[in-house]
Amino acid sequence: SQQGEEDPQALSIQEGENATMNCSYKTSINNLQWYRQNSGRGLVHLILIRSNEREKHSGRLRVTLDTSKKSSSLLITASRAADTASYFCATDERAGGTSYGKLTFGQGTILTVHP
Amino acid sequence: DTGVSQNPRHKITKRGQNVTFRCDPISEHNRLYWYRQTLGQGPEFLTYFQNEAQLEKSRLLSDRFSAERPKGSFSTLEIQRTEQGDSAMYLCASSTIGVGDKVSDGYTFGSGTRLTVV
Repeated sequence: SQQGEEDPQALSIQEGENATMNCSYKTSINNLQWYRQNSGRGLVHLILIRSNEREKHSGRLRVTLDTSKKSSSLLITASRAADTASYFCATDERAGGTSYGKLTFGQGTILTVHP
Repeated sequence: DTGVSQNPRHKITKRGQNVTFRCDPISEHNRLYWYRQTLGQGPEFLTYFQNEAQLEKSRLLSDRFSAERPKGSFSTLEIQRTEQGDSAMYLCASSTIGVGDKVSDGYTFGSGTRLTVV
């Protein structure tokens, strides 16, 4: 079953603009991760944020996590045409303090960056 | 180590035939996962291994699906008596296990095997 719900389902922007994608989830988590997938390829890990962290940066990526709202956002600054891909959030769910040990993925946001 | 390798990249099979996919994970990773992805959807969990032990199998996985990881190295996923609904991208990923059994780091995915059942 899908855990995360990404919003928007599709996003189209011009090169140089910022892109923001949101993810909501339902259960307690140990961490939340973001992945990118180019068409027809495997997923590439972008960034991991732990449940006790609120914000994390990696290059042009900024991720926030609000565990009280069970939501996360991924911001890509100064976007490039090469950022065109699908972006997925994934959660390492937790029950009673124990990890399920696997990631559950959302349905993704399709980002298109026009040159 | 060049990452997670999956073979074949593409497989076209007739309905009712059996197919087997192979995944070679990153050698130092002790966790191996299989996911299925259909068009426009996120990856859906199928099963995962820690070393050679299969720790969990999705309830969505019918008895026609079986996975093995002999000796805790490569893994195979077999689908028996394929159906058109099995058409999907089958993704393999590997990772290390974290403290408290947590997913402490990102997964490394292979490029997937695209199965088409005709």
